[in-house]
Amino acid sequence: GQNIDQPTEMTATEGAIVQINCTYQTSGFNGLFWYQQHAGEAPTFLSYNVLDGLEEKGRFSSFLSRSKGYSYLLLKELQMKDSASYLCAVRDSNYQLIWGAGTKLIIKP
Amino acid sequence: IAGITQAPTSQILAAGRRMTLRCTQDMRHNAMYWYRQDLGLGLRLIHYSNTAGTTGKGEVPDGYSVSRANTDDFPLTLASAVPSQTSVYFCASSEDPGTGYNEQFFGPGTRLTVL
Repeated sequence: GQNIDQPTEMTATEGAIVQINCTYQTSGFNGLFWYQQHAGEAPTFLSYNVLDGLEEKGRFSSFLSRSKGYSYLLLKELQMKDSASYLCAVRDSNYQLIWGAGTKLIIKP
Repeated sequence: IAGITQAPTSQILAAGRRMTLRCTQDMRHNAMYWYRQDLGLGLRLIHYSNTAGTTGKGEVPDGYSVSRANTDDFPLTLASAVPSQTSVYFCASSEDPGTGYNEQFFGPGTRLTVL
């Protein structure tokens, strides 16, 4: 079966750094996406990885290791507005996205 | 530019009733998708359409139907609603269903309660 695992909830302090991990087992791999979803809102795109390594975009970075079936999202200089759920999704061999349940990130002052 | 719009925003529905959730995009994207999101579960694909005139079944298609008569609209119909279809429904679109960047853009969602 296809499976994507993320921690259910994480807590971090404003101004700090947090790493959200995602492991996956899917039928085929055609890229990994990270989305942000604020409570009561739609998911919005953050990052895309298809090759191994680190992709940096401002305060957010995403890492991929295809051999390990592993990715992480790194958020630096945390701000209160970063309190949200972070969704990991893998595009499988049918080019459909398989989604993790999401990680709720709580930022404390 | 509105992006993707969905209607209604929320709805309470009696079991057994028929309901159509509307989705319209103005980005001229080829691919469109319907997901449901339930607490503790990831987004689950209900149906998708790679291009106007074609549709496909996702992970949880039972009890739902879709049509794609044109590029912009992708309605989702519940023929006879049941309480287990209580969920938040998101419509999404992407420029192309295939490889490459092709991020999916999401509508604001429809919160549906079936009693």
